[in-house]
Amino acid sequence: AQSVTQPDIHITVSEGASLELRCNYSYGATPYLFWYVQSPGQGLQLLLKYFSGDTLVQGIKGFEAEFKRSQSSFNLRKPSVHWSDAAEYFCAVNRGSTLGRLYFGRGTQLTVWP
Amino acid sequence: AAGVIQSPRHLIKEKRETATLKCYPIPRHDTVYWYQQGPGQDPQFLISFYEKMQSDKGSIPDRFSAQQFSDYHSELNMSSLELGDSALYFCASSLEAGGDNEQFFGPGTRLTVL
Repeated sequence: AQSVTQPDIHITVSEGASLELRCNYSYGATPYLFWYVQSPGQGLQLLLKYFSGDTLVQGIKGFEAEFKRSQSSFNLRKPSVHWSDAAEYFCAVNRGSTLGRLYFGRGTQLTVWP
Repeated sequence: AAGVIQSPRHLIKEKRETATLKCYPIPRHDTVYWYQQGPGQDPQFLISFYEKMQSDKGSIPDRFSAQQFSDYHSELNMSSLELGDSALYFCASSLEAGGDNEQFFGPGTRLTVL
């Protein structure tokens, strides 16, 4: 069975500090990997995605993520967090098939202190 | 830019009642996905449609049915509602099915079953 693990339920950082949100997946092959952000009352917005190629991918809002095959990880990073980054972040995977079904992690709630 | 529209945004029902959730995809998008997110849970895939045909089916109860209409909007029909059906229901759309096509999410419908 495919699963996505986000080990950190809640993270608090100070504005301007760096951020890393962890994501691990369990699947034999390399799936398509995504990070979504959800603000209160809003839908899920795609931050970035990885399909193949360069393992460091850049996304919107200054976020980046690195795919590490050996660790089955796809961690999200941002060098300097802004107060507006406070939201819930979801890692998601697709099996890389013709079907678009996404499997999500439980999410990480990010709080930013001013 | 046009986004995915879901209606209603909030819905309160009694046990054993029925509910209909609607999703209007982004214009020209031909694929619709439904996800259910229970309290404190990760979004779970329910069902998807591509060109008005069911393309994939996940953990959708038999009490639920869905379809995609000729204008590509989709409806999720839920009967004999149970307390456990209380959740946030997301609809997403994409241009063509496939794991490498970005899914654009609506704001969700929050269903409360009393």
